[in-house]
Amino acid sequence: GAVVSQHPSRVICKSGTSVKIECRSLDFQATTMFWYRQFPKQSLMLMATSNEGSKATYEQGVEKDKFLINHASLTLSTLTVTSAHPEDSSFYICSATGGGRNQPQHFGDGTRLSIL
Amino acid sequence: AQSVTQPDIHITVSEGASLELRCNYSYGATPYLFWYVQSPGQGLQLLLKYFSGDTLVQGIKGFEAEFKRSQSSFNLRKPSVHWSDAAEYFCAVGLSGGYQKVTFGTGTKLQVIP
Repeated sequence: GAVVSQHPSRVICKSGTSVKIECRSLDFQATTMFWYRQFPKQSLMLMATSNEGSKATYEQGVEKDKFLINHASLTLSTLTVTSAHPEDSSFYICSATGGGRNQPQHFGDGTRLSIL
Repeated sequence: AQSVTQPDIHITVSEGASLELRCNYSYGATPYLFWYVQSPGQGLQLLLKYFSGDTLVQGIKGFEAEFKRSQSSFNLRKPSVHWSDAAEYFCAVGLSGGYQKVTFGTGTKLQVIP
């Protein structure tokens, strides 16, 4: 089946640093990728939708300058948390789809981000 | 606005017992409904989906769900739970049709006891 690899799985860094998370579709072309954030014991909140070669569409309340998304190829999207602070600590999950309403989302295993 | 409600935050069942996880949705148009499972520290795996047609849908791992339009529900069921089913389960509704841009419920954590 379709595989989505997310890296790193866990990162711990100091406040003020920037962190980049990669999401790769290993065996299919991902025309659309989604980035979610999940707080402890809560559901996934969609942060943004990115289509290959286009600017990401951010959900209301998500700071686009804080969470930079790049989807430069059909197999890779990156989320960069800039100048991270403790309140950015969370579980970030990406998903990828081949596009079209009948193409399922395939999820990565998530990245646990902890900002000290 | 569309929304998904999972009224049970946490459920505990004995291994071998039957399971039903509740899901109610609010959506003006024909809903596209999903159930996902998440193991600790991992992403989500699709269990099953409803787009149209037969309202009783079969999924992986022995799960099934029934769409009831009159009750705005899409409950997940399994006749006999295994210890490996312990995980968090999320119901979701597709906002723009199909798999694109879904809204997730708050999840139900399933604990299985011997």
